[in-house]
Amino acid sequence: QVQLVESGGGVVQPGRSLRLSCAASGFSFTSSGMHWVRQAPGKLEWVALISYDESTKYYADSVKGRFNISRDNSKNTLYLQMNSLRPEDTAVYYCATDWGHYFRYWGQGTLVSVSS
Amino acid sequence: QSALTQPASVSGSPGQSITISCVGTSSDVDFYNYVSWYQQHPGRAPKFIIYDVTNRPSGVSSRFSGSKSGNTASLTISGLQAEDEADYYCSSYTSSTTRVFGGGTKLTVL
Repeated sequence: QVQLVESGGGVVQPGRSLRLSCAASGFSFTSSGMHWVRQAPGKLEWVALISYDESTKYYADSVKGRFNISRDNSKNTLYLQMNSLRPEDTAVYYCATDWGHYFRYWGQGTLVSVSS
Repeated sequence: QSALTQPASVSGSPGQSITISCVGTSSDVDFYNYVSWYQQHPGRAPKFIIYDVTNRPSGVSSRFSGSKSGNTASLTISGLQAEDEADYYCSSYTSSTTRVFGGGTKLTVL
């Protein structure tokens, strides 16, 4: 079965950086686009999308220029490099598989808290 | 990238039907038939329940159905059950090739 396991979350001060990882198994990761989606209390927000071959990347305006989505197909792993973190980036971060225009399978999430 | 608009809460009794609306714009819901819905129970990840406005992924109950008229998409749950109590989010593809979610609706089964 499809498994997505996020890691790398934690408490970080404003302005610092953090890298999240998402280990994938149970499906053809090398053929799948992947998303990052975050959830502050009660609100889902799409963050970024990467194509299966890393040739295209899209970002929400709120993170453009600060976050970078990447992947290592040899390791079946998705990444989110988050720089210049702000308190408003505090959320649970989920990775999800891209299926057409949709979020087909989701991980359980990793919590990022940005606070001084 | 403004969020789609959903009612904050809806409620219904077991066996009844409820409908949750999702209002978008000409750059998303109105222009594309790429609307999806997600169910989220407390402490759990969202679950994909509707795509292409009206279609259900395999394994999703036929009590869940979707529709769209202009810039407003809707999710209807018929024959309400206690297990349907959850948060529901709509999402749409957008003209800038990004995705946008609604603010979420809390469904209470009375």
